[in-house]
Amino acid sequence: SQKIEQNSEALNIQEGKTATLTCNYTNYSPAYLQWYRQDPGRGPVFLLLIRENEKEKRKERLKVTFDTTLKQSLFHITASQPADSATYLCALDMDSSYKLIFGSGTRLLVRP
Amino acid sequence: DTGVSQDPRHKITKRGQNVTFRCDPISEHNRLYWYRQTLGQGPEFLTYFQNEAQLEKSRLLSDRFSAERPKGSFSTLEIQRTEQGDSAMYLCASSLDDSPLHFGNGTRLTVT
Repeated sequence: SQKIEQNSEALNIQEGKTATLTCNYTNYSPAYLQWYRQDPGRGPVFLLLIRENEKEKRKERLKVTFDTTLKQSLFHITASQPADSATYLCALDMDSSYKLIFGSGTRLLVRP
Repeated sequence: DTGVSQDPRHKITKRGQNVTFRCDPISEHNRLYWYRQTLGQGPEFLTYFQNEAQLEKSRLLSDRFSAERPKGSFSTLEIQRTEQGDSAMYLCASSLDDSPLHFGNGTRLTVT
């Protein structure tokens, strides 16, 4: 069956450390993978998109990797801050450009 | 760019009643999407418009659900004869062609 999995338990880290979130998928072949941030009571906010032929993408303190052999994406936040505390969602795009398939998200808590 | 606007933010209704939600996308965006999100889960695709044409509907969208986007501007999502299982956050998003989605902050529906 098709699955997309993110750590269901919250990730609790100390300010200044690097947060690493995982997105694994089964029986999908996405053309793109996207990461979104969602705060309580708010809609998701787009962060980064990585294509299937890209291994790594960076934007400021954020880094995403995409391994189509392992069927896994890793999302890193370096020098984490309490303001980074939120739920982070990964989403697969099968090149339909409109129907994203979201994981259930991982909650990140950054302690001051 | 005032962002995607959704109205109302919250709606409490009794089972069997009809409800209608409105979404105003970013003005220059030609694509509009509806997603549904339940607690602890990621958003699930419901339907998608390219301008005024509704191009795809998920099988999650039963006969009781209908969406419109007259004149390719704002969109409405109506749920008839609401059931308790319809309780969720209904998210609207828009994009310009294949660009990443911009989500609104959703309408939280509670069916009692």
